[in-house]
Amino acid sequence: GAVVSQHPSRVICKSGTSVKIECRSLDFQATTMFWYRQFPKQSLMLMATSNEGSKATYEQGVEKDKFLINHASLTLSTLTVTSAHPEDSSFYICSARGGGGRQYFGAGTRLSVL
Amino acid sequence: QQQVKQSPQSLIVQKGGISIINCAYENTAFDYFPWYQQFPGKGPALLIAIRPDVSEKKEGRFTISFNKSAKQFSLHIMDSQPGDSATYFCAASGGGQNFVFGPGTRLSVLP
Repeated sequence: GAVVSQHPSRVICKSGTSVKIECRSLDFQATTMFWYRQFPKQSLMLMATSNEGSKATYEQGVEKDKFLINHASLTLSTLTVTSAHPEDSSFYICSARGGGGRQYFGAGTRLSVL
Repeated sequence: QQQVKQSPQSLIVQKGGISIINCAYENTAFDYFPWYQQFPGKGPALLIAIRPDVSEKKEGRFTISFNKSAKQFSLHIMDSQPGDSATYFCAASGGGQNFVFGPGTRLSVLP
């Protein structure tokens, strides 16, 4: 099946620093990628949708200046959490849409902001 | 219209038993209904999916039953194993709508 690689799997950073998370579709081209946030024991919350070569579409309540998304190619999207604070600590998951509308998820990134 | 309801919230099944998780949707434009399995600390993995042109789809021990008129679909796990213990999410998409996920069901299969 299709593979989506997400890196890093875990990151610990100091408050005020920025963190970049990469999401790559390894064996297919993804014109659309999605970024989710998941709190413990809760469902996935869509943060934004990114389309290759255009600006991301953010869900209501998600700060576009804090969560910068770049979808530079058909196989790579990045999420940068700028000036991270402890309340940004969470599990971030990317996904990529392949052929037939199927959506494949990365393994997730556990962000801990001290 | 966008919500996907899922029940039960948690489920405990004995090894060898049948696990059944139910979902319901409102948006009649949805035309793709996947189920995802998620282990702690990992991303969701596509388990099985169905489109509304069929009422049932089976892959190994996993079966989706789909009732278009009732706008409901369910996941059946036959011969449940301890390794099936995970959180299961149903989802729906279609009609230009991005995936909408259910709240999840935490399944525990006792040895």
